[in-house]
Amino acid sequence: GAVVSQHPSRVICKSGTSVKIECRSLDFQATTMFWYRQFPKQSLMLMATSNEGSKATYEQGVEKDKFLINHASLTLSTLTVTSAHPEDSSFYICSAPATVNYGYTFGSGTRLTVV
Amino acid sequence: EDQVTQSPEALRLQEGESSSLNCSYTVSGLRGLFWYRQDPGKGPEFLFTLYSAGEEKEKERLKATLTKKESFLHITAPKPEDSATYLCASRGGSQGNLIFGKGTKLSVKP
Repeated sequence: GAVVSQHPSRVICKSGTSVKIECRSLDFQATTMFWYRQFPKQSLMLMATSNEGSKATYEQGVEKDKFLINHASLTLSTLTVTSAHPEDSSFYICSAPATVNYGYTFGSGTRLTVV
Repeated sequence: EDQVTQSPEALRLQEGESSSLNCSYTVSGLRGLFWYRQDPGKGPEFLFTLYSAGEEKEKERLKATLTKKESFLHITAPKPEDSATYLCASRGGSQGNLIFGKGTKLSVKP
């Protein structure tokens, strides 16, 4: 139980275009979704927290106009990277609090490459 | 500021050679210490949650322990399929999020 499905797993886009990443909770309702970014050999860094039906909370240094987060339902949260640039290339992972036994469940990640 | 530090950064073992990974944390009011396994290009896979000093949990060849300042992930007689990056995290963020260490990359050679 407590599965988060993340798509796409890999995406290559041209500089200046936008990319949308989706995370769906398959067997539970995710009122909160955390969005992380991971650079090579670095730890997962929290970018923003989305709560269903309200505006996302962004961590310091994360541009909210560049990384648009929508959490319109209890089973779907999306991250849109707008006007992507090569420095946005990274591994993006979503995560939702699940049960006490499972802690937090993670999506499988999206490898974004901006060329 | 809450911090999680893992050591070593990388660990190479021979199959069957037991060892331990360390996670030290400075968190005000620990609300859970988590261990995850992450394979290349994948999201973290949940292993254990520990809540209080002295607590221990086991799963196959892995055992996690917790003290007031550290957690250890003991790997007994590892196999090549145990090769992965092991992440330690504490729940201490202002949003209830996890704060991660940089991980220990474990390589087990046959």
